[in-house]
Amino acid sequence: GESVGLHLPTLSVQEGDNSIINCAYSNSASDYFIWYKQESGKGPQFIIDIRSNMDKRQGQRVTVLLNKTVKHLSLQIAATQPGDSAVYFCAETPGNTPLVFGKGTRLSVIA
Amino acid sequence: EAGVTQSPTHLIKTRGQQATLRCSPISGHTSVYWYQQALGLGLQFLLWYDEGEERNRGNFPPRFSGRQFPNYSSELNVNALELEDSALYLCASSSWGTNEKLFFGSGTQLSVL
Repeated sequence: GESVGLHLPTLSVQEGDNSIINCAYSNSASDYFIWYKQESGKGPQFIIDIRSNMDKRQGQRVTVLLNKTVKHLSLQIAATQPGDSAVYFCAETPGNTPLVFGKGTRLSVIA
Repeated sequence: EAGVTQSPTHLIKTRGQQATLRCSPISGHTSVYWYQQALGLGLQFLLWYDEGEERNRGNFPPRFSGRQFPNYSSELNVNALELEDSALYLCASSSWGTNEKLFFGSGTQLSVL
């Protein structure tokens, strides 16, 4: 079965609000985590990654938080824009096997 | 710099036929990965090639096979197509190993009728 899952399959947010997309993982040996964004008709696009020796990592308008104690990963998007509408996937690997992906969360931005 | 390219964009086959999908990785990348994305589902790992060798295989039947060429491009072959093989097949590449981000192509949409 899937070792990476998501709490919410769909998320609707108002334009300008912050978005939080959550992800649970079950493989305690995983040491690398990554978020992808997939727009309709396109392949997944890298957003941000984090390794297990970190709890937080920030990018442009995005922040990934890693809580190894409860095996939880989250993606925060600040000031959500219509262009952020997409499906977001978390993925993980313990380092010796290819990335395992969750089923995805659809983010819809309401203008 | 060119990204990962896949061909064809769309492929229509009938049940029992064979399909061949192609992928060219980013220049300098030696690892190629294949994932299947059925409608509304996440990405399921199929195959991983590195330096011409199959390094890992997902939970798919043997009729899913592939290879990697000396120039690091790759082919995915699906024999004896079944209706449930209809999906988006995504290729990704990385410069080394599994513990780093993958760069994806736009995929081949395979429809089995």
